[in-house]
Amino acid sequence: AQTVTQSQPEMSVQEAETVTLSCTYDTSESDYYLFWYKQPPSRQMILVIRQEAYKQQNATENRFSVNFQKAAKSFSLKISDSQLGDAAMYFCAYRSAGGNEKLTFGTGTRLTIIP
Amino acid sequence: GAVVSQHPSRVICKSGTSVKIECRSLDFQATTMFWYRQFPKQSLMLMATSNEGSKATYEQGVEKDKFLINHASLTLSTLTVTSAHPEDSSFYICSGRVQDSRIAKNIQYFGAGTRLSVL
Repeated sequence: AQTVTQSQPEMSVQEAETVTLSCTYDTSESDYYLFWYKQPPSRQMILVIRQEAYKQQNATENRFSVNFQKAAKSFSLKISDSQLGDAAMYFCAYRSAGGNEKLTFGTGTRLTIIP
Repeated sequence: GAVVSQHPSRVICKSGTSVKIECRSLDFQATTMFWYRQFPKQSLMLMATSNEGSKATYEQGVEKDKFLINHASLTLSTLTVTSAHPEDSSFYICSGRVQDSRIAKNIQYFGAGTRLSVL
């Protein structure tokens, strides 16, 4: 079974600065998807960014980018120019590319933005 | 992005009663929907996978007779918590998987969740 580990329960960053959230995973599969979801105080889960394992190029979405290291099974999220609205719980998630569509989530990292 | 509507957002009920939660995909068809449970300050745990027109697939340890799932149409899945007890109090979240090629495939879009409190 796949597992996803987020070793940072809490992180904080000064507004406008850059922060990196860590995520590692364990799998025996070669093809899969990785996601970062954001859960603000409203509890609505919002997709931030996704990465296909077969792609070597790191995904980027505006201020959000990932550092995907397949051999190391690492998938970190970098938030540049942090904004107050970025404050939330961030969950890393894994999904097999095969028939099993379930998402396996990490335990989350609570990000605080310091004005 | 795709929109998933979940209703109600909050429900308080007495022990022993049943509660139904609805999950609707508003602008896409979802042959597959997922139901998660989230305890305070914890991650999301998948309860079951809901497939349109067929029986749901439950995760190990989830009581299928207690958490009834119906996915009667391509845009609606319901979760009924039967004979609810205080230990069922939790935050329940649904998601729908987008298959339409106009929108990114294989991404799950989430509803806003339902906070269930059983007295």
